[in-house]
Amino acid sequence: GAGVSQSPRYKVTKRGQDVALRCDPISGHVSLYWYRQALGQGPEFLTYFNYEAQQDKSGLPNDRFSAERPEGSISTLTIQRTEQRDSAMYRCASSLTLAGVYTGELFFGEGSRLTVL
Amino acid sequence: AQRVTQPEKLLSVFKGAPVELKCNYSYSGSPELFWYVQYSRQRLQLLLRHISRESIKGFTADLNKGETSFHLKKPFAQEEDSAMYYCALRNTDKLIFGTGTRLQVFP
Repeated sequence: GAGVSQSPRYKVTKRGQDVALRCDPISGHVSLYWYRQALGQGPEFLTYFNYEAQQDKSGLPNDRFSAERPEGSISTLTIQRTEQRDSAMYRCASSLTLAGVYTGELFFGEGSRLTVL
Repeated sequence: AQRVTQPEKLLSVFKGAPVELKCNYSYSGSPELFWYVQYSRQRLQLLLRHISRESIKGFTADLNKGETSFHLKKPFAQEEDSAMYYCALRNTDKLIFGTGTRLQVFP
C-alpha cells in the first residue's frame, strides 16, 4: 500500500476485554510511533521503535499498555483489561529514517478508533 | 516542562480574509517546530517546518524565540484551507502536539 495502514479502523469492546491494534508502516520505514488522541485533544505520544527495538515507552500510561514490533515492520499495540478511559483514536506514524522526527516527516495512518463500553 | 499551547479551538473567517493560527511553546533549548494539518477524511500530515523557512499552500510560520511563538499565517484564506491544524514541538526523539485549532473558511 501507499501509506501507513492501521487496523481495525473501528473497535468497540466491553470493559475488561483485551484489544490489539495493528500498524503496518510504509515499506522500508525504520521508525514507528504510536500516539493516542482523546476527543478535543492533540495526539499524545505513547511509544516508538527504531527497527524492532522499542526506544522509548515513557508515554504508555500504565502496564496495561504494551507494544511490539518483532520483525521491524508491523507493530501491535495491546491494551489489556480495557477501561472506559482508554477510549480514543490511536494513531500510528512511521518515518523513513531515524532522523525523520528531526525533520518532522512522520507519515500517519488513518487511526484506530477504540470505544470501550 | 515542554509544552505546546494552541489557545483557539476554533477560528472562523471568510474567504479572502487573513488567517493567523496561534501557537506558543515552552522548551528549554533550541526548539524545532512544525505545523501539521488534517483535512476532512484525510490523514494527519506535515504542513511545514520552521527550519525550512518555506511557504506551503500560501502558509508561513515564523519562529519568535522572544515570544516563544510559532504562529501560522496566510494572507488570504481559501475554502480548501478548512481543516484541523496542530502545532508540534520536537522533544528529543518525539513530537509533542498542541490541542489543535479548527479553521473554518466560509465562502
